[in-house]
Amino acid sequence: EVRLVESGGGLVQRGGSLRLSCAASGFPFSTYWMSWVRQAPGKGLEWVANIKLDGSEKYYVDSVKGRFTISRDDDKNSLYLQMNSLRAEDTAVYYCARDTRRFLWFGEPWGQGTLVTVSS
Amino acid sequence: QSALTQPASVSGSPGQSITISCTGTSSDVGGYNYVSWYQHHPGKVPKLMIYDVSNRPSGVSNRFSGSKSGNTASLTISGLQAEDETDYYCSSYTSSSTYVFGTGTKVTVL
Repeated sequence: EVRLVESGGGLVQRGGSLRLSCAASGFPFSTYWMSWVRQAPGKGLEWVANIKLDGSEKYYVDSVKGRFTISRDDDKNSLYLQMNSLRAEDTAVYYCARDTRRFLWFGEPWGQGTLVTVSS
Repeated sequence: QSALTQPASVSGSPGQSITISCTGTSSDVGGYNYVSWYQHHPGKVPKLMIYDVSNRPSGVSNRFSGSKSGNTASLTISGLQAEDETDYYCSSYTSSSTYVFGTGTKVTVL
């Protein structure tokens, strides 16, 4: 079974930085693109970024370009999201997902994502 | 990268069928057969219900079906059950190698 466990969230001041991690298991991590998706309080789902299986291509939603960096470590089966210059509107639950370049797979239903709260 | 347009809410009685629409553009929904639908219960991760417009992953009830016409995709839930009451989101892969989600629809079982 696909297992994705996010961590690294927390409370950070506006303008601060945070690094999210996603530990993957149950599938050949190095052969898949990976994505980050977030949901702000009371809002809908928003795709944030994705990364190619070899890390050679990365794409971002306009609102985080220049501030967030997605990366991966295939030796550790891990995905990361470095978030800098954080804004109040970045407050959200962040989920990682296996990216098939057609649809996203978020892993087992008991996953919870990781909450990032940016205080002003 | 504008969100796909979904109705804010749809409701139906148990046993009835409901349909949720998802309208995009020729750069996303209309340009690819890569529309997917997710069921999202608060506090849980989104669950894939439909992929590639009309395919169901293993384990998803056949009461859920998807279709597409032009720039609009649709999710139909037949034989509505109380457990179907939650939020649903469409998504499309785009010409920019990114994804765009819909605005979300709250399904209420009357």
